[in-house]
Amino acid sequence: TQLLEQSPQFLSIQEGENLTVYCNSSSVFSSLQWYRQEPGEGPVLLVTVVTGGEVKKLKRLTFQFGDARKDSSLHITAAQPGDTGLYLCAGDQGGSNYKLTFGKGTLLTVNP
Amino acid sequence: NAGVTQTPKFQVLKTGQSMTLQCAQDMNHEYMSWYRQDPGMGLRLIHYSVGAGITDQGEVPNGYNVSRSTTEDFPLRLLSAAPSQTSVYFCASSYSWGSNQPQHFGDGTRLSIL
Repeated sequence: TQLLEQSPQFLSIQEGENLTVYCNSSSVFSSLQWYRQEPGEGPVLLVTVVTGGEVKKLKRLTFQFGDARKDSSLHITAAQPGDTGLYLCAGDQGGSNYKLTFGKGTLLTVNP
Repeated sequence: NAGVTQTPKFQVLKTGQSMTLQCAQDMNHEYMSWYRQDPGMGLRLIHYSVGAGITDQGEVPNGYNVSRSTTEDFPLRLLSAAPSQTSVYFCASSYSWGSNQPQHFGDGTRLSIL
């Protein structure tokens, strides 16, 4: 059973469209991180959300942490071809559990 | 700073061979970890270390050994390679373990076991 479920698994859209990617769990996380990975490279951190209900913005990307800290979403406004990549969410259950659990990822393709 | 450096970038092994994947970081990070990435499976934690001399198992540790004799280096050893270990391996590090500690990843080692 995957601790973090990401949806959709694949997303192909046209430049200028909006999209939302979801990261859901039945477990509570002390924090959730979002990474973007491009082909042939390692993931790069986009944002960390820590507080339930928190909203963070990074240019055209908006990240939200659920009130119960069990889910998160990533919304991209007016997607551009440069947004193409694999988006991964990763959760930390806190305490002395020194493990980061990743979702399976959402592969986004933005067509010009 | 070079960040997290993984070597080699590509490797082909025969079943039963052994090898060591190298990972080095120059950021004085205490926490280091190894993941494998398979199609449709995301990143799965193999082993991690919270500091020199301290290692522990992750989600998929079988078939892999690690050691952490220095802060900088965290090698991953495959003792007897199996085709199921064909994957892309990523090493990551962070200053310490905590909610606001970003993981810095290397560019991966692509390993094929024939």
